[in-house]
Amino acid sequence: DVKVTQSSRYLVKRTGEKVFLECVQDMDHENMFWYRQDPGLGLRLIYFSYDVKMKEKGDIPEGYSVSREKKERFSLILESASTNQTSMYLCASRKGGVHEQYFGPGTRLTVT
Amino acid sequence: QKEVEQNSGPLSVPEGAIASLNCTYSDRGSQSFFWYRQYSGKSPELIMSIYSNGDKEDGRFTAQLNKASQYVSLLIRDSQPSDSATYLCAVYDTGNQFYFGTGTSLTVIP
Repeated sequence: DVKVTQSSRYLVKRTGEKVFLECVQDMDHENMFWYRQDPGLGLRLIYFSYDVKMKEKGDIPEGYSVSREKKERFSLILESASTNQTSMYLCASRKGGVHEQYFGPGTRLTVT
Repeated sequence: QKEVEQNSGPLSVPEGAIASLNCTYSDRGSQSFFWYRQYSGKSPELIMSIYSNGDKEDGRFTAQLNKASQYVSLLIRDSQPSDSATYLCAVYDTGNQFYFGTGTSLTVIP
């Protein structure tokens, strides 16, 4: 079974803090993704990575950055958290050449 | 026009009935189609993949694809209360992008 884990299920941070969200997959998948999910807006792609040290902007990259130093780990960074970044953050991974994406359990982030 | 459109519902069916969930997509050349189930407060879970026209069955679930009509559906037979969730349709298009619908909320009434 594909296993995607995220560092925290719930996180509360203050405005202006730097926030790190970690995602790890154990299936040697090349492709990894970060989404946020908000009521009525669905899933929106923030950043993705096709390989180590590679990153591509998704639909809503503003206010976020990512890091992929190892194949199994993809980190999302909120440089200076704002209240409009309160959301459910979902990491997903996918094997190269295969289309199915598998999600981690999600991190519900609240910025106060 | 959104890439993937779903009726947001809510859809309510009695226990034991067939639930029918529908999805349309805009990119005619899309290659792969998926259904995810998402329980409240949880992450999406992949339940069905379909790549060619016709039906694909897996237990109580049947995915149906009609590329000419740009339409994909999910049928859940003998619906159970545990099937109550939001179902997300996802499409992998010709631009190698994955698009999700906003989901249909299903409630199965005991």
